[in-house]
Amino acid sequence: AQKVTQAQTEISVVEKEDVTLDCVYETRDTTYYLFWYKQPPSGELVFLIRRNSFDEQNEISGRYSWNFQKSTSSFNFTITASQVVDSAVYFCALSDFAQGGSEKLVFGKGTKLTVNP
Amino acid sequence: DAGVTQSPTHLIKTRGQQVTLRCSPKSGHDTVSWYQQALGQGPQFIFQYYEEEERQRGNFPDRFSGHQFPNYSSELNVNALLLGDSALYLCASSSIRGWEQYFGPGTRLTVT
Repeated sequence: AQKVTQAQTEISVVEKEDVTLDCVYETRDTTYYLFWYKQPPSGELVFLIRRNSFDEQNEISGRYSWNFQKSTSSFNFTITASQVVDSAVYFCALSDFAQGGSEKLVFGKGTKLTVNP
Repeated sequence: DAGVTQSPTHLIKTRGQQVTLRCSPKSGHDTVSWYQQALGQGPQFIFQYYEEEERQRGNFPDRFSGHQFPNYSSELNVNALLLGDSALYLCASSSIRGWEQYFGPGTRLTVT
């Protein structure tokens, strides 16, 4: 069975600090996708990134970066120079490798990030 | 271009009652998935509809049922409500030719 663990329930930082959100996953599949979503207080999940299990290259998008390590089954998310607007709940998720269409997402319990001014 | 819309925004029901939640997918999308998110938890997959049929189903009892209409909109029905059904219900739409799921703002269901 697939499982995603986000051990950090809540993190509080001061603006401009760097922060890393941890994600560890379990799957028997050799091919799969990993995701990060952001959920602001409004409730709507906002897609941040998708990586497939073939591609272990780290990715950077502005202040966001992701570190995928298959050997440790981890897909960590770092926000550099955090801002108050980054305050939200962040979810890591896992899905099967789909031949077509979207597959069900298995989410972690989320990490609530609070960035204080 | 309207995104995914859900109605109602909030709903309060009593134990044992039945409820229907509605979802309109993003324009151009033909697949709808439903997720349940209990307070302080991550979303859990309920089921997915494509071409008016249930394509995938998560580990939820038969009290949870759904429907997809020819215009791709969808309903989630929950019968014999339990207190534990209180949650945020999220709808996500996607295209069978793609992978990205767009989530709606959710319906907050409270069962008393």
